[in-house]
Amino acid sequence: DTGVSQDPRHKITKRGQNVTFRCDPISEHNRLYWYRQTLGQGPEFLTYFQNEAQLEKSRLLSDRFSAERPKGSFSTLEIQRTEQGDSAMYLCASSSGSSSYNEQFFGPGTRLTVL
Amino acid sequence: DQQVKQNSPSLSVQEGRISILNCDYTNSMFDYFLWYKKYPAEGPTFLISISSIKDKNEDGRFTVFLNKSAKHLSLHIVPSQPGDSAVYFCAASAGNQFYFGTGTSLTVIP
Repeated sequence: DTGVSQDPRHKITKRGQNVTFRCDPISEHNRLYWYRQTLGQGPEFLTYFQNEAQLEKSRLLSDRFSAERPKGSFSTLEIQRTEQGDSAMYLCASSSGSSSYNEQFFGPGTRLTVL
Repeated sequence: DQQVKQNSPSLSVQEGRISILNCDYTNSMFDYFLWYKKYPAEGPTFLISISSIKDKNEDGRFTVFLNKSAKHLSLHIVPSQPGDSAVYFCAASAGNQFYFGTGTSLTVIP
């Protein structure tokens, strides 16, 4: 299967703990996006990478959130000192090409529950 | 501030009839619009897109219409099939940021 994969699929943590999620995009996709989705809402843009460069960050992304894509392949999203409001589905998507006018392929998401 | 709005949280349609899903946006800088379908426990799946220089794009049973003056787009599914039952999200972009609506849950009744 060459789709976008995310790990873990579910994460339960206690408030104040740090968590890290991983996204493996479709190989050779140079664009990678992170989104957050809460119940009853659509995905909210968090950040965007082109290759290893983080080119866009939403103002929703507080300083407790950090994302990396060190070799331009997989990406990690870390949340430090988690809060209950961080409970959500975290989605990763990738696309190819030099234009944003390309289809984004989404992974299945990581569901985070902060107790 | 919700820049992309889907005002109908749910829609039920008989199999074989037309499904029309609507979406409104506020940012006139959006130049690319997309529709995604989402099944439970899966990520969204791309359906169809349209550039702001067009007013219609068709792909099989799916057609997207764009009315820039009204800042409105719609997705038509004809004929609707039970397998189309899912949540549909519209999205818009200006540059590399994508803004999604809250979704419309479509149920196609056999």
